[in-house]
Amino acid sequence: ETGVTQSPTHLIKTRGQQVTLRCSSQSGHNTVSWYQQALGQGPQFIFQYYREEENGRGNFPPRFSGLQFPNYSSELNVNALELDDSALYLCASSLAGGGSREAFFGQGTRLTVV
Amino acid sequence: AQRVTQPEKLLSVFKGAPVELKCNYSYSGSPELFWYVQYSRQRLQLLLRHISRESIKGFTADLNKGETSFHLKKPFAQEEDSAMYYCALIKDTGNQFYFGTGTSLTVIP
Repeated sequence: ETGVTQSPTHLIKTRGQQVTLRCSSQSGHNTVSWYQQALGQGPQFIFQYYREEENGRGNFPPRFSGLQFPNYSSELNVNALELDDSALYLCASSLAGGGSREAFFGQGTRLTVV
Repeated sequence: AQRVTQPEKLLSVFKGAPVELKCNYSYSGSPELFWYVQYSRQRLQLLLRHISRESIKGFTADLNKGETSFHLKKPFAQEEDSAMYYCALIKDTGNQFYFGTGTSLTVIP
C-alpha cells in the first residue's frame, strides 16, 4: 500500500506567477482534498475532488483551482500568486463511502512567494 | 459556523506527569471529532477519533457534547509524545476537516 505523495517538496515563486502542485492519492482512495497551512495556523480547507469533480470548496478565491485525474491523482493550481499564498499545502486522500472518514495526509509542499 | 479552538499554543509537562490538551468546538449539528498528530519532520497522521472510543499510544479523548469539548488526555507523558497536536472536526453534512490552530506539546525529561 502506497501513501500520499506530493511534489515538489519545496518551491519558490515570484508574485504574479502561476504554480501547479501535484498529489498522488493513497492506493484505493477516490477522494482528494487540499489544505493550506499558514505558519502557526491549522490547515484550512481549500477544496475537495471526488470522481474528477469538485465536491466542496472552502473560502478561497477562484484563482485557486484544481483537477482530479482518472487515477485519482490531483493537481492544485494557483494563479496570480500573492505574498500571502506562502504556506504549506497539504493533500489528503480518503475513501468516500468506505465507512471511515479518516484522511491520510501527504508530507506537503512548502510554497514561498517572493 | 463551525469552529475548533485549541486555547494552548504551547504546553510543557515533565515525563511521567499527566497531560491534557484542550479542544473546544462550536457546531450546532453532530460532528465527528478527531485528533491528528505531527511528529518532528513527519506528516500529519491520525491519532484517534471519537467514534472509535479507542486508546492510542495511551491517549484517550471523550466527546462531551454538553461542554462541546474533545480534550486529549494521557495519564503519564513520555518524551516521544512531544509533537504538534491538532483537533479537528467533520460536520455531519460533509467530509472536509476543520482544524484548530494546534498545540505544541513538549515533554521534559
